[in-house]
Amino acid sequence: QKEVEQNSGPLSVPEGAIASLNCTYSDRGSQSFFWYRQYSGKSPELIMSIYSNGDKEDGRFTAQLNKASQYVSLLIRDSQPSDSATYLCAVNIQGGFQKLVFGTGTRLLVSP
Amino acid sequence: DAGITQSPRHKVTETGTPVTLRCHQTENHRYMYWYRQDPGHGLRLIHYSYGVKDTDKGEVSDGYSVSRSKTEDFLLTLESATSSQTSVYFCAIRDSSGSSYEQYFGPGTRLTVT
Repeated sequence: QKEVEQNSGPLSVPEGAIASLNCTYSDRGSQSFFWYRQYSGKSPELIMSIYSNGDKEDGRFTAQLNKASQYVSLLIRDSQPSDSATYLCAVNIQGGFQKLVFGTGTRLLVSP
Repeated sequence: DAGITQSPRHKVTETGTPVTLRCHQTENHRYMYWYRQDPGHGLRLIHYSYGVKDTDKGEVSDGYSVSRSKTEDFLLTLESATSSQTSVYFCAIRDSSGSSYEQYFGPGTRLTVT
């Protein structure tokens, strides 16, 4: 079983819709969770971090964490074509040195 | 961009040759990381550093060594490059300000081993 799992997609949504990206993880001791956006040929860009159960909102992005279910999600409201990218979920596996394990990413396509 | 640069940005080399990739940061971050990214595998940790001369192995460290003689530079060396090391290599720093554990990535180095 992979430590961090994501559906590879592509997830296709129309412009203006809500995109929902999901991630599950295996290490119950994980405390820090991150979402990165990566455009083709570019480096990953941090868009959200979440440390506590519940929702965290930042602009059009909402991260949701449920540690009991070992599940973290990212909602993108009012999706734009510029949101088309691969979204990487990352989870820490060792708190002190902050070693991250990444999922393989979900490709999001937002059509005009 | 967290003040991270990587050099070279692109490199083509032959099997068996040594290769060194450089990561340079300007903001005095203590923690630095090297990852490789391959289709179907995502980002995987190669080595990391938690201070000058303090380094440790990550998930895929075989065939790689690292050095950190100054806070600002973290070097990744492929002692004898193989075709399986063709990949995109990213350096990252951990933002240790306050309680943040966030990592920020450099622009990457695309390495091709022929």
